[in-house]
Amino acid sequence: GESVGLHLPTLSVQEGDNSIINCAYSNSASDYFIWYKQESGKGPQFIIDIRSNMDKRQGQRVTVLLNKTVKHLSLQIAATQPGDSAVYFCAESGLYNFNKFYFGSGTKLNVKP
Amino acid sequence: DSGVTQTPKHLITATGQRVTLRCSPRSGDLSVYWYQQSLDQGLQFLIQYYNGEERAKGNILERFSAQQFPDLHSELNLSSLELGDSALYFCASSSRTSGTRNEQFFGPGTRLTVL
Repeated sequence: GESVGLHLPTLSVQEGDNSIINCAYSNSASDYFIWYKQESGKGPQFIIDIRSNMDKRQGQRVTVLLNKTVKHLSLQIAATQPGDSAVYFCAESGLYNFNKFYFGSGTKLNVKP
Repeated sequence: DSGVTQTPKHLITATGQRVTLRCSPRSGDLSVYWYQQSLDQGLQFLIQYYNGEERAKGNILERFSAQQFPDLHSELNLSSLELGDSALYFCASSSRTSGTRNEQFFGPGTRLTVL
């Protein structure tokens, strides 16, 4: 597989810096959110998820923040590495109904060595 | 390697034709999702099956259809193809339909080019 050349917003960061990728979701009834990473030539890969009863969740080098008031998600990547270069998507769904997932348009992260 | 396989990897065809894309989910996963990724619309959810039954439809055109077979593999059929159907088509599988987490595992995709 390949990544399409989407006309995406791009975030360029220096290796070692922290990255923050933002996402606005549309459905106030969504209660489950996921961040995906898509590297060139591959399908999306799960990074981290969060339920609507949480404001923050941490993983390995990644943190997701959820602000339900303004329907906003962010993904923070600590000590960004060249291997983090990819397109990042947020997705929203219903926690107790995983039947439909809606993806954001994506952000391209470019890590400069 | 996600464990999800898709064939073919590339497909080139002409307008008006019909094609079938195939997906084999991870061993044990009952749910299969189909997505379309195109230049101007990002990743769009098309349809979901669970254990052979259709569970949800997203932005799937009437010219498109899918099914999931008893062995859990799934096929996406695209007919009367138009230039705008050119895109990457991804299949994803998951072991859950509800609960505390739904990690979808994506295949490598099929790139469809309609000339």
